[in-house]
Amino acid sequence: GAVVSQHPSRVICKSGTSVKIECRSLDFQATTMFWYRQFPKQSLMLMATSNEGSKATYEQGVEKDKFLINHASLTLSTLTVTSAHPEDSSFYICSAQTQDRGDYGYTFGSGTRLTVV
Amino acid sequence: KNQVEQSPQSLIILEGKNCTLQCNYTVSPFSNLRWYKQDTGRGPVSLTIMTFSENTKSNGRYTATLDADTKQSSLHITASQLSDSASYICVVSLTGGGNKLTFGTGTQLKVEL
Repeated sequence: GAVVSQHPSRVICKSGTSVKIECRSLDFQATTMFWYRQFPKQSLMLMATSNEGSKATYEQGVEKDKFLINHASLTLSTLTVTSAHPEDSSFYICSAQTQDRGDYGYTFGSGTRLTVV
Repeated sequence: KNQVEQSPQSLIILEGKNCTLQCNYTVSPFSNLRWYKQDTGRGPVSLTIMTFSENTKSNGRYTATLDADTKQSSLHITASQLSDSASYICVVSLTGGGNKLTFGTGTQLKVEL
């Protein structure tokens, strides 16, 4: 089945620095990937939709200059948290959209725990 | 407003017992409903997916049901194991593709000895 690899699984960074998170589709091409944020005991919140070769579409309230998304190839999307602050500490999850016989599937990465100190 | 509500919020059961988790949704137009298992600190993993015309789908010890008329779904876990301890998330998709997913807040299941 479809596999999505997300790296790193955990990262600790200092306030003011930038952190890049990678999301790769290992055995399929993903023209569309999604980035989510999840706070403890809460559901996933969609941050942005990443389309290969075009600009990402951000959800309302998500700062595009702070959360930079790049989807330069059909197997890789990256999320860069710029000038990170402690309030950016969260669990970030990517997913890739697949399509099988007309129906869409969504395979999630294993997530990245970001801690900003 | 499209919503997905799950109950109970949390549940503790003994190993070997069965349990049923509930999902009510108001998402429209409905395309399909998925159940995911999310271990702590991990991404969600798909358990089942059902379209409008399906009313049951099994995956090993997991059996999902769907009543599209009442907009309710359930996930039944039989002979629970310690490894079943996780958050179970109901996700409803709108028609038209794209990422028109509405996530439930999940049921936190803990299986104890």
